[in-house]
Amino acid sequence: SAVISQKPSRDICQRGTSLTIQCQVDSQVTMMFWYRQQPGQSLTLIATANQGSEATYESGFVIDKFPISRPNLTFSTLTVSNMSPEDSSIYLCSVDDRADGYTFGSGTRLTVV
Amino acid sequence: DQQVKQNSPSLSVQEGRISILNCDYTNSMFDYFLWYKKYPAEGPTFLISISSIKDKNEDGRFTVFLNKSAKHLSLHIVPSQPGDSAVYFCAASAVDNAGNMLTFGGGTRLMVKP
Repeated sequence: SAVISQKPSRDICQRGTSLTIQCQVDSQVTMMFWYRQQPGQSLTLIATANQGSEATYESGFVIDKFPISRPNLTFSTLTVSNMSPEDSSIYLCSVDDRADGYTFGSGTRLTVV
Repeated sequence: DQQVKQNSPSLSVQEGRISILNCDYTNSMFDYFLWYKKYPAEGPTFLISISSIKDKNEDGRFTVFLNKSAKHLSLHIVPSQPGDSAVYFCAASAVDNAGNMLTFGGGTRLMVKP
C-alpha cells in the first residue's frame, strides 16, 4: 500500500495567517483527497486533487479559502488561508489504493488562536 | 443528509467478548465498504474492507458482514482486546465522475475493559 508523509503534524497559528500542509506519497497516484475532521465530527471531504487540473471542491469549501496544489503524481499541498478559530481541526490527505482501501496521511492538528 | 450512519456513538465491551459495530447506508450506488480505526491525535488507519459482491470478509479477529438488502454492514471483533479501544469509522465508496469518493459514518467509540 502507499505510504504518505504529511507535514506538519501539528501547528498553532495566529488568526488571519495561512498554513500550508504537505503530503508526499511514495508512489504515483492519480487522485489525492483532502479531509477535515472537526472535534466530535466525522471526516469531511474538502476537495479532490487531480494532477494537472484544478481541484474539485465539495459544497461549503472554496478555493480562495483552501487553495490546493498538485504539481505531480506524488505530491499535493492544502493551504488554509486567513485562518480563524473555526478552522481548528485535524486535516488529512488520502489516496485511493483499492488493494488496501484508502491510505491516509498521519494528519495535521491545527489550532488557531 | 447522512448517507452513512453509525447510530451508536459508543460501545463498551468486556475483554475477551465479541464487539459488534454497526453501520447503515442509504446510497444504493455504494459498491465498496471500509472500516477504519482511529486513535486519539492520529489519522485513521485502514482495518478491513468488503466489496458489494461479497457478504463476508474475515481477517484474523476482524470480520465484516454486508447485508445489501438491508443496506447494513457490521464489524465483529472476536475476541476483543483492550488495545482495540479506539474510534471506528465505517466508510463507503461509489465510483462517480469525481472518482472513488469516500463517505464516512460518524464513528463509534469502542471501549474494551480488561
